[in-house]
Amino acid sequence: AQSVTQPDIHITVSEGASLELRCNYSYGATPYLFWYVQSPGQGLQLLLKYFSGDTLVQGIKGFEAEFKRSQSSFNLRKPSVHWSDAAEYFCAVGAKAAGNKLTFGGGTRVLVKP
Amino acid sequence: GAVVSQHPSWVICKSGTSVKIECRSLDFQATTMFWYRQFPKQSLMLMATSNEGSKATYEQGVEKDKFLINHASLTLSTLTVTSAHPEDSSFYICSATTGDSNQPQHFGDGTRLSIL
Repeated sequence: AQSVTQPDIHITVSEGASLELRCNYSYGATPYLFWYVQSPGQGLQLLLKYFSGDTLVQGIKGFEAEFKRSQSSFNLRKPSVHWSDAAEYFCAVGAKAAGNKLTFGGGTRVLVKP
Repeated sequence: GAVVSQHPSWVICKSGTSVKIECRSLDFQATTMFWYRQFPKQSLMLMATSNEGSKATYEQGVEKDKFLINHASLTLSTLTVTSAHPEDSSFYICSATTGDSNQPQHFGDGTRLSIL
C-alpha cells in the first residue's frame, strides 16, 4: 500500500526567505510523485510532478523538488518565498499499478511573515 | 490547459434532500475522474474512482447508495449525495485525468456542502 508522510504540519517563513517542505513516501515500486498547493476554499493546483528521468524537477511559481530514491523523499523547495505562497501544500504519490489513484500526505500549512 | 470545472461551488440545503455536484473537464477528455472529500484542516480522502461508461469503484467505507456517481461522458462526472444529512457536510473535490500513465490529475475548485 502507498503512504505519504509530511512531517511538518505548519511552517512559518519570512517573506524572501527560502522554504523547504518535506515529503516521505512508502511504495514498493517506483512511484509517481506530485506536489499540489491549495488556497483556502479552493481546489488543488499542480505545482510539479515526477514520473521518471531527471530527479530534480522544476515546477510553476519558482518551485522545485528533488526525488531521492535512497531516502524515499520528494522535498519541495523555493529559494525566495512571496506572501502569495501562503497556502496548504500536499505531497501525493500515485502509480499506474494502483489505477493512478493518488495517496495524499496530511499537508503542510505555510504561513509567510512580512 | 487542463481545466476542470466543478459546480456548484457552494450549496446549502435541508436535511433529507439530494444534492448533485458536477465535474467537467473543459479542454481535455477525462477517461477517469476521482471524487474526494476533505474535512476542515485535513487532507483529501478518496471516495471513488469513476471511469467513463462504467460503474464507479468506491473506496472502503464509502456508501455507494449514499454517494451516487455517474460518468456518462468523457467530459462530465456527477456526484449525487442522496438524502443528505448534517454529517454529510463537507468539502467535495473532483479531479480528472486522461488516464494515461504519465498524466497528472487536475482538480476542480471544490464544492462546499452544508446540510442544515
